[in-house]
Amino acid sequence: RKEVEQDPGPFNVPEGATVAFNCTYSNSASQSFFWYRQDCRKEPKLLMSVYSSGNEDGRFTAQLNRASQYISLLIRDSKLSDSATYLCVVNKVYDYKLSFGAGTTVTVRA
Amino acid sequence: NAGVTQTPKFRVLKTGQSMTLLCAQDMNHEYMYWYRQDPGMGLRLIHYSVGEGTTAKGEVPDGYNVSRLKKQNFLLGLESAAPSQTSVYFCASSPPDSGYGYTFGSGTRLTVV
Repeated sequence: RKEVEQDPGPFNVPEGATVAFNCTYSNSASQSFFWYRQDCRKEPKLLMSVYSSGNEDGRFTAQLNRASQYISLLIRDSKLSDSATYLCVVNKVYDYKLSFGAGTTVTVRA
Repeated sequence: NAGVTQTPKFRVLKTGQSMTLLCAQDMNHEYMYWYRQDPGMGLRLIHYSVGEGTTAKGEVPDGYNVSRLKKQNFLLGLESAAPSQTSVYFCASSPPDSGYGYTFGSGTRLTVV
């Protein structure tokens, strides 16, 4: 089983719509969770950390469900500029290294 | 503040040629990493370093060597390039605590013909 699994999508949504997607992680003892954004042919950039109680950053909301071992990302009022691949990232247990999911592609259309 | 800088940005090699990719960071991070990214496969760790003078193998180390002679620099070498090494290579750095995430360089797009 992969350490981090994501639905590759693509999720095609109109501007202004809400889009949400999850990723699952295999190790219940993982402690650090992130969402990264990667634009085509560019480097991954940290979008937001994910905290146990859930957190928001503008139009982006991240949730953590430890019981079911998944994290989610919700984007409200989608903009064309939100079109990207979103990487789910989880720390390896007892290790400082991070495991990256293969990404979920979101395309926002006008 | 430049963050993580990779050179070169693009390179085309012939099979059997060698080259070195340079990664430099100015954030005083202890840890540095080399990843490759191929379509549909996500990021795969090649080698990493937890400090000056130390290196370790990641998931896909074969065909690559690394060196970390200075804290701010992490070099990735291909001794005899193969077409299977055609990929985008990303360097990243981080503090020792995984809770801070990684900072990535802008990548090197390598084609081996």
